[in-house]
Amino acid sequence: SAVISQKPSRDICQRGTSLTIQCQVDSQVTMMFWYRQQPGQSLTLIATANQGSEATYESGFVIDKFPISRPNLTFSTLTVSNMSPEDSSIYLCSVEDGSSYNEQFFGPGTRLTVL
Amino acid sequence: GQQLNQSPQSMFIQEGEDVSMNCTSSSIFNTWLWYKQDPGEGPVLLIALYKAGELTSNGRLTAQFGITRKDSFLNISASIPSDVGIYFCAGRFSSGYSTLTFGKGTMLLVSP
Repeated sequence: SAVISQKPSRDICQRGTSLTIQCQVDSQVTMMFWYRQQPGQSLTLIATANQGSEATYESGFVIDKFPISRPNLTFSTLTVSNMSPEDSSIYLCSVEDGSSYNEQFFGPGTRLTVL
Repeated sequence: GQQLNQSPQSMFIQEGEDVSMNCTSSSIFNTWLWYKQDPGEGPVLLIALYKAGELTSNGRLTAQFGITRKDSFLNISASIPSDVGIYFCAGRFSSGYSTLTFGKGTMLLVSP
């Protein structure tokens, strides 16, 4: 399976600021996704990062709040904009390896705390 | 939206015991995935199921894709302390491309 790394692994940020999270994969992948996991909760899909075009956002998530870039098949960024304490979560990058089975693999996550 | 009901919410067992957890859906899925998440880590894929009735093992783990395509279970035999973590089921719908829907997770605690 693909090896996925995320930067930063954790951060503490002030209200009103923005943080950009990077996701790097060691091989080219078809699909990349960004999830949010609030404390003690399950995983919620934020958006599908599309290479060369705008991301596809799930209901309740908007581009102005969570802009996403995907310049190539191995890299994506998620920005959490104008942060508030409610944005404190783990943000996870996920990829599908493009095989016919479309198994999804996750990065180690970025733990964000907003004060 | 799609709903996945995962149970139990948590389990506290003795080392050596067997464990069973399950997920049910109101809709038909064509793929079931089971993940384990350790504290401070991302979820790790344990088992993937693709056909109704499929029974798949991975070491001490066994998972089945329900015949109705609306449920799946995960069994862990002879539990050990490193089995501690949160287990998530995830399903994908049958019509064309679709994203994963996750259950709320089962927290497993194992006492030595």
